[in-house]
Amino acid sequence: DTEVTQTPKHLVMGMTNKKSLKCEQHMGHRAMYWYKQKAKKPPELMFVYSYEKLSINESVPSRFSPECPNSSLLNLHLHALQPEDSALYLCASSQVSAANTGELFFGEGSRLTVL
Amino acid sequence: DQQVKQNSPSLSVQEGRISILNCDYTNSMFDYFLWYKKYPAEGPTFLISISSIKDKNEDGRFTVFLNKSAKHLSLHIVPSQPGDSAVYFCAASAPRSARQLTFGSGTQLTVLP
Repeated sequence: DTEVTQTPKHLVMGMTNKKSLKCEQHMGHRAMYWYKQKAKKPPELMFVYSYEKLSINESVPSRFSPECPNSSLLNLHLHALQPEDSALYLCASSQVSAANTGELFFGEGSRLTVL
Repeated sequence: DQQVKQNSPSLSVQEGRISILNCDYTNSMFDYFLWYKKYPAEGPTFLISISSIKDKNEDGRFTVFLNKSAKHLSLHIVPSQPGDSAVYFCAASAPRSARQLTFGSGTQLTVLP
């Protein structure tokens, strides 16, 4: 199993809504990532979890709240978002070891639209 | 400060010819370089990579060349096929237990039939 599965694929929410994006992998990877990608731009790193602990937060606003309940799951809780937060949100996973080359396995993304 | 740069936002190539996508980097700590391919509305897919101890890596139609002295790498696709039309991102990583990738801005490759 070399897949990273993200749900939902599409999400439309209002600025007062609370929603969550979910990500799952069963490759035994112990690093998981959230990226945000706007059209025609590279993916921007938001959060990194290593061994289920938040290791990197790239100064992301608190209206985005990540959670890693176990080594296979990664959530991104959304609350009071702004229209400019509309983007493709990508989950990725990788090994955490000396052999890690940085290769990330990406999910297909969750397309978020904030009205 | 962009540490990984792809200066060509787009490239068009005739089917069957060679596609050459270029990437430059500034951080001398980078020791691993990767190319990702992305179709619209999908996540990036790993394509090919190269370690800084090598200057060439080949996988089928795809070859990546690394010139460390120039801090430059390139991806060659030959022969190019219409299905290769996608955005190609160059990425680099430095030694760390959970490596972060630094992405370039991407090059839209269009292979014309």
